[in-house]
Amino acid sequence: GQSLEQPSEVTAVEGAIVQINCTYQTSGFYGLSWYQQHDGGAPTFLSYNALDGLEETGRFSSFLSRSDSYGYLLLQELQMKDSASYFCAVNQAGTALIFGKGTTLSVSS
Amino acid sequence: DAGVIQSPRHEVTEMGQEVTLRCKPISGHDYLFWYRQTMMRGLELLIYFNNNVPIDDSGMPEDRFSAKMPNASFSTLKIQPSEPRDSAVYFCASSSARDTQYFGPGTRLTVL
Repeated sequence: GQSLEQPSEVTAVEGAIVQINCTYQTSGFYGLSWYQQHDGGAPTFLSYNALDGLEETGRFSSFLSRSDSYGYLLLQELQMKDSASYFCAVNQAGTALIFGKGTTLSVSS
Repeated sequence: DAGVIQSPRHEVTEMGQEVTLRCKPISGHDYLFWYRQTMMRGLELLIYFNNNVPIDDSGMPEDRFSAKMPNASFSTLKIQPSEPRDSAVYFCASSSARDTQYFGPGTRLTVL
């Protein structure tokens, strides 16, 4: 079967660093994507890892280890506006995305 | 660019009625995806098209669901007849590459 596991909730304070882990088990793997979704909004693309290693985009970084079927999203210098749900998603053959259940991040002051 | 456009944004209907959701992808994108999101099941891929051709519809829950893409700028998702358990947010997304999908604002469907 196919499964992606990520924590359901994470809480942190402004200025802190948070890591959201994702482990996956899927048939067919081209890469791992991360999406952000604010309440009532649409998922928006954050990052994509096709190869092992760290990808950095501003305050956000994403890591992938294909041998461990594991990745994480690292959010630094947290801001209140980062409160949202974060989804990892596996890119399978033919561009289809299989999404995890999402992690709700709550940032407090 | 206007982004992915979906209509209607909200739909309330009664059980047994036909529902049609509409999507206009980003111009130049050759992949179009339909997703459904609920609290219980999360974000599920229903069907996707490449160059207007359905590639994988294994996520379509039942024969009551059907999707079409008559041209590169328009797609519909139809539910007939609708049931209360179909209540969800339905997203359309498009892409031109394997890594980035752009989502529309979604249609919030409530079936009474």
